Amino acid sequence: GESVGLHLPTLSVQEGDNSIINCAYSNSASDYFIWYKQESGKGPQFIIDIRSNMDKRQGQRVTVLLNKTVKHLSLQIAATQPGDSAVYFCAERAGNMLTFGGGTRLMVKP
Amino acid sequence: DADVTQTPRNRITKTGKRIMLECSQTKGHDRMYWYRQDPGLGLQLIYYSFDVKDINKGEISDGYSVSRQAQAKFSLSLESAIPNQTALYFCATSDSGGGEQFFGPGTRLTVL
Repeated sequence: GESVGLHLPTLSVQEGDNSIINCAYSNSASDYFIWYKQESGKGPQFIIDIRSNMDKRQGQRVTVLLNKTVKHLSLQIAATQPGDSAVYFCAERAGNMLTFGGGTRLMVKP
Repeated sequence: DADVTQTPRNRITKTGKRIMLECSQTKGHDRMYWYRQDPGLGLQLIYYSFDVKDINKGEISDGYSVSRQAQAKFSLSLESAIPNQTALYFCATSDSGGGEQFFGPGTRLTVL
């Protein structure tokens, strides 16, 4: 993921389009991954998770894809809505400890 | 009622003052965490605790201390606040499996 010392990258999408947010994780031993959504002024909230024995998991309007070969995680949001505007963090668990990536800001244009 | 609560929600203080931020949880989790978030940036881990007698430094512990008074309570102290500690502070909890962390609403701290 991005260094926490750098400003968050921003993804700007048109309302109704699909969004894809990417995360490169660092530890090949990570066995569990979570995507969080953080709205302005609020704490991060769980969106969806995936275990390392899976490569895809779907929720309501969201899909998480896991590619262990290249240590890459993505979050796909279908039919993006203004309420999806937020910062999205990926998190990986290795050695029984969850660590967070740097995050991506999603902006939805009306 | 919220599972993870933080007090105060907002605090303005002056350089050199001692500040304590408090976190309480009703989830029955063993693990608790303190994070800092600067505007437009990600989460940085300050301290974490795996149970009442366990305290561990995170990536940015300098200038901070913590106390785990009970399973449900984890407080963060700034012994002598400085302006670059102005940030949003989040408490989180998880079970002992190290899975999902549940976050509090945050405390916005301003040091003048």
